[in-house]
Amino acid sequence: QLQLQESGPGLVKPSETLSLTCTVSGGSISSSSYYWGWIRQPPGKGLEWIGSMYYSGNTYYNQSLKSRVTISVDTSKNQFSLKLRSVTAADTAVYYCGKFLYGSGRNWFDAWGQGTLVTVSS
Amino acid sequence: QSVLTQPPSVSGAPGQRVTISCTVSSSNIGATYDVHWYQQLPGTAPKLLIYGNHNRPSGVPDRFSGSKSGTSASLAITGLQAEDEADYYCQSYDSSLSGVVFGGGTKLTVL
Repeated sequence: QLQLQESGPGLVKPSETLSLTCTVSGGSISSSSYYWGWIRQPPGKGLEWIGSMYYSGNTYYNQSLKSRVTISVDTSKNQFSLKLRSVTAADTAVYYCGKFLYGSGRNWFDAWGQGTLVTVSS
Repeated sequence: QSVLTQPPSVSGAPGQRVTISCTVSSSNIGATYDVHWYQQLPGTAPKLLIYGNHNRPSGVPDRFSGSKSGTSASLAITGLQAEDEADYYCQSYDSSLSGVVFGGGTKLTVL
């Protein structure tokens, strides 16, 4: 059964770059059937899609975050990563990685990591 | 402002039926794209509950059902149980943004 696990610093200073990695186990990140994505949830608030990518490099980003976000993949490690630049307190959230089924009418997340809380504070 | 509008909260007694609505307000989604539903139990990650408007992944009880008509989607839960107390989110796809959109979420309280 495919599993996802987020990892990275739990505390980031304002104006710095938030960097998270999602490790995929029980399946290949290079599968032609899946995309991979990041979603975040500020404390006590709803879900916000950050972006999704295909293992070959096609990426799609939330327009509101596009100027600050990069999602990349490392197929050799079966991992994909998130970088969010110039963070502020508003970027404090639980960050989830997920497996995104996309194409042929599909566009949903069918597997999620457990999430990791990232706090932006000096 | 979300393009998918959900009521902030709903409630029901054990055994009852509740519905959660999800109204699409974007012409870029409209009747074209499907709506999906996630359940988020307290302190846990969201879990796919319904995909493609009305399909249940393996393991999801048939007490949960989804429907969509035009620009409105609904999640229905019958035989309400205490363990159903959670936040529920609808999700779709905005073609103009090439991106995923979530509703604001609905908190279900089992009385």
